[in-house]
Amino acid sequence: AQTVTQSQPEMSVQEAETVTLSCTYDTSESNYYLFWYKQPPSRQMILVIRQEAYKQQNATENRFSVNFQKAAKSFSLKISDSQLGDTAMYFCAFTNTDKLIFGTGTRLQVFP
Amino acid sequence: DARVTQTPRHKVTEMGQEVTMRCQPILGHNTVFWYRQTMMQGLELLAYFRNRAPLDDSGMPKDRFSAEMPDATLATLKIQPSEPRDSAVYFCASGPRGGSYEQYFGPGTRLTVT
Repeated sequence: AQTVTQSQPEMSVQEAETVTLSCTYDTSESNYYLFWYKQPPSRQMILVIRQEAYKQQNATENRFSVNFQKAAKSFSLKISDSQLGDTAMYFCAFTNTDKLIFGTGTRLQVFP
Repeated sequence: DARVTQTPRHKVTEMGQEVTMRCQPILGHNTVFWYRQTMMQGLELLAYFRNRAPLDDSGMPKDRFSAEMPDATLATLKIQPSEPRDSAVYFCASGPRGGSYEQYFGPGTRLTVT
């Protein structure tokens, strides 16, 4: 069975700094998709970034980028120039079908 | 700006009452999911549909929960009778055609059963 592990329950970063959130997953599949979702205090789940396993190039969306290491089954999220609005829970998710498998989340606090 | 909408945003009800939550998926999306989020269990998939047909409802307590898609623009989740342990945030999400598997979430319905 596929699993997703986020080993950092909480992290903090100062505004304008860079922070990296870790995610590892376990699967025997070769083709799949990985996502990072952000859940701010409003509780809205927001899709931040997606990565297709067959693409070697790391995905980037503005200040958000990923480091996808397929052999190591690692999918970390880097947030550059952190902003107060980045304060949220961040969930890593895996799928190779319709169903998303979520990690337990990392709570990120951005300090001024 | 296409987005998933959910109503109501908040619902407080007494144990034993029926609760109906509604979701309008993004126009053109053909897959709809219902999730429940609690502090203890995290995000749980309750059920999902493709092209209005139910594909999997194994995460749903069958005796009290039911999910339907009367048409392509409306999905409903009903709880009857509601119990205090059903208190949670219920999310609807929709996904586009084409197998890219991303899901776009609605704002959620916060349900409190007293």
